[in-house]
Amino acid sequence: TQLLEQSPQFLSIQEGENLTVYCNSSSVFSSLQWYRQEPGEGPVLLVTVVTGGEVKKLKRLTFQFGDARKDSSLHITAAQPGDTGLYLCAGVQAALIFGKGTTLSVSS
Amino acid sequence: GAGVSQSPSNKVTEKGKDVELRCDPISGHTALYWYRQSLGQGLEFLIYFQGNSAPDKSGLPSDRFSAERTGGSVSTLTIQRTQQEDSAVYLCASSWRAGGSYNEQFFGPGTRLTVL
Repeated sequence: TQLLEQSPQFLSIQEGENLTVYCNSSSVFSSLQWYRQEPGEGPVLLVTVVTGGEVKKLKRLTFQFGDARKDSSLHITAAQPGDTGLYLCAGVQAALIFGKGTTLSVSS
Repeated sequence: GAGVSQSPSNKVTEKGKDVELRCDPISGHTALYWYRQSLGQGLEFLIYFQGNSAPDKSGLPSDRFSAERTGGSVSTLTIQRTQQEDSAVYLCASSWRAGGSYNEQFFGPGTRLTVL
């Protein structure tokens, strides 16, 4: 059973555009993580959100955790080609429960 | 080493053969995880080890899959009688310990398994 739904699945944009990726769950998680994965490599942690309503910023990336701790979003401002990759949200339990990911392609 | 390493990086096998995939976690990490990543299913949890406790095998898809961790360090994932649907990238990760809201897992580059 897939507990985390990510949307959109694919996103192709031009450099300088803004975008938002959504992660929705039917379950409450104590925390949620966002990872970024590049081809041929494993995922790398970007951020962990723990508190409902929490907002964290990482340069041009803004992460938000829903008040009910069942959903999260990742917003990228002024996307750059270096942002290209697979973005994964994961609900934190002892292991991680991943969404299917959003493949982002940013062209110059 | 500095990070999680996995071997081999690529493995091609014939249907029905057994395969072993190896993971070397970051030194000092007590928790080790195996995940499988395939196009249709995304990244799925398979099994994790925490210290000397019995492993959580709840994600293993069938009894053809097994894993062991020797000496609290290196782990081997074994797939017996491989099937074409086993084709995927197998990722290993490690962390200081399992659980906890801020548990950061460090992933290896994966082993790409192709079953012909």
